[in-house]
Amino acid sequence: LAKTTQPISMDSYEGQEVNITCSHNNIATNDYITWYQQFPSQGPRFIIQGYKTKVTNEVASLFIPADRKSSTLSLPRVSLSDTAVYYCLVGDQSGNTPLVFGKGTRLSVIA
Amino acid sequence: GAVVSQHPSRVICKSGTSVKIECRSLDFQATTMFWYRQFPKQSLMLMATSNEGSKATYEQGVEKDKFLINHASLTLSTLTVTSAHPEDSSFYICSWGPPRQETQYFGPGTRLLVL
Repeated sequence: LAKTTQPISMDSYEGQEVNITCSHNNIATNDYITWYQQFPSQGPRFIIQGYKTKVTNEVASLFIPADRKSSTLSLPRVSLSDTAVYYCLVGDQSGNTPLVFGKGTRLSVIA
Repeated sequence: GAVVSQHPSRVICKSGTSVKIECRSLDFQATTMFWYRQFPKQSLMLMATSNEGSKATYEQGVEKDKFLINHASLTLSTLTVTSAHPEDSSFYICSWGPPRQETQYFGPGTRLLVL
């Protein structure tokens, strides 16, 4: 499974847009890019997944350049409740493949 | 999204005792599931992969005789921490990988504290 590199931590004020970039230089052709969110003492929660270009859902947007060696999770107008750890994962993400978590990015949203 | 439950949500036990953690998928079935553990301020670490009806595959450094996995059905798996010691205190999280889904669904986790 491809390794990922993310910033260890980020701070943001409420109402701002937050962009978290993840590097995955060794991503394979069949790999998808998935982002999870984890609050303290809770299991990870799926946020968004993409393969290329841009994906948007009600929570976030995911931007993936043509070479797919990186991706950016965009959280619009964050609130205090978005304070969490965000994990970027790459892999075929089939139901039979375990997920390999990196260190994640600890986002702190400040009032 | 799919719902996964874990029971208990937290447990405190004495050193040397055994603790069983249940993980259920409530609204879907899946053959494959995974157990992870997470120490404070650290990321999730895969412990084992389990397929219904087969023996679990453990990651290097995880003792199969200490962490017993019983994958009883397509919706239920249990992890038993045998002869627990304080160093086993951790946050244990299960996940299921439904077929034809490109994501996994995680349980809420079980906080184990061994005194």
